[in-house]
Amino acid sequence: AQSVSQHNHHVILSEAASLELGCNYSYGGTVNLFWYVQYPGQHLQLLLKYFSGDPLVKGIKGFEAEFIKSKFSFNLRKPSVQWSDTAEYFCAVLNTGRRALTFGSGTRLQVQP
Amino acid sequence: DAGVTQSPTHLIKTRGQHVTLRCSPISGHKSVSWYQQVLGQGPQFIFQYYEKEERGRGNFPDRFSARQFPNYSSELNVNALLLGDSALYLCASSSGQGETQYFGPGTRLLVL
Repeated sequence: AQSVSQHNHHVILSEAASLELGCNYSYGGTVNLFWYVQYPGQHLQLLLKYFSGDPLVKGIKGFEAEFIKSKFSFNLRKPSVQWSDTAEYFCAVLNTGRRALTFGSGTRLQVQP
Repeated sequence: DAGVTQSPTHLIKTRGQHVTLRCSPISGHKSVSWYQQVLGQGPQFIFQYYEKEERGRGNFPDRFSARQFPNYSSELNVNALLLGDSALYLCASSSGQGETQYFGPGTRLLVL
């Protein structure tokens, strides 16, 4: 069965620190990859996505992610976090055959001013 | 542009009751998916509907059912509610199968 692992459950950073959140998936076929963010009191929003092409994708608010096929990874990065980045971040994989998203358990990011 | 809308926002039911949750997709989107998010976990896939037909089903019991209407809105029905059904139920729409899914605010269900 397809699964998604997010290694960090809770991350605390100071403003201006760099961020990297890990995401690994287990599925050998064609996948589309996503990062979603859930700000406090808000609904899940798309941060960025990878379907094909350049494995380094850029999303909103300065976030980027790199797809490394050989490592089954899709890590999220941001060079300098802000207090407003405090949120829960979910990595998700779309099995193009099954057409359903499989989510990781999420990483709660807390940015201290 | 209006995003995905869901109703109601909150719901309290007792064990054994039945519940119906509703979802309206983004205009022009023909696919609706339902997910269950239990506190502290990522969303779990329940159903996908495309062009009014069920196209995918997750590992949920037959107490869970859904349908999609000609205007592409959707209902999720849960019968014989259990305490463990307490969760946030999310609806997502996409323009087609395999496309990016956009989520609504969810319906928070509490079963007592």
